[in-house]
Amino acid sequence: GQNIDQPTEMTATEGAIVQINCTYQTSGFNGLFWYQQHAGEAPTFLSYNVLDGLEEKGRFSSFLSRSKGYSYLLLKELQMKDSASYLCAVKDSNYQLIWGAGTKLIIKP
Amino acid sequence: GAVVSQHPSWVICKSGTSVKIECRSLDFQATTMFWYRQFPKQSLMLMATSNEGSKATYEQGVEKDKFLINHASLTLSTLTVTSAHPEDSSFYICSAAMTGEDYGYTFGSGTRLTVV
Repeated sequence: GQNIDQPTEMTATEGAIVQINCTYQTSGFNGLFWYQQHAGEAPTFLSYNVLDGLEEKGRFSSFLSRSKGYSYLLLKELQMKDSASYLCAVKDSNYQLIWGAGTKLIIKP
Repeated sequence: GAVVSQHPSWVICKSGTSVKIECRSLDFQATTMFWYRQFPKQSLMLMATSNEGSKATYEQGVEKDKFLINHASLTLSTLTVTSAHPEDSSFYICSAAMTGEDYGYTFGSGTRLTVV
């Protein structure tokens, strides 16, 4: 079966750095996405990785290791508005998106 | 950037009635539209995938006669929840795949459906 694992919840302090991990086992791989979702809202696109390595975009970076079936999202200089759920999704061999359950990130002052 | 407009944002309906949710791609052509359902504190669950001009492909366990999907044009897809029941209360979200791009998925703003 296809499976994406990420922690259910994480807590971090404003101004700090947090890393959200995602491991996956899917039938094929055609890219990995990270989305941010605030409560009651639709997800918004954060990053896309298809090759191994680190993609940096402002305060957010995403890393991928295809051989390990592993990715992480790194958030720097945390702000209160970063409190949200972070969803990891993998596009499989059929180009379907397989979603993780999301990681709820709580930022404390 | 690509925008998908989803309406209504929220709707309350009585049990047994039908509700139609619309998703429009405003500045691009969406050959494929994905419809998701999300219950509180749970992840997105894909309900169906629709391609313009053809029948939708439903995920296992999703009743195609209850959740009617129409994708009549490259800019409009609709989901109709027929004979709604309280257990259908959920957050419904559409997502469009952009033509010619390998990773462009844009989400609508979602519809909060409450069946009373």
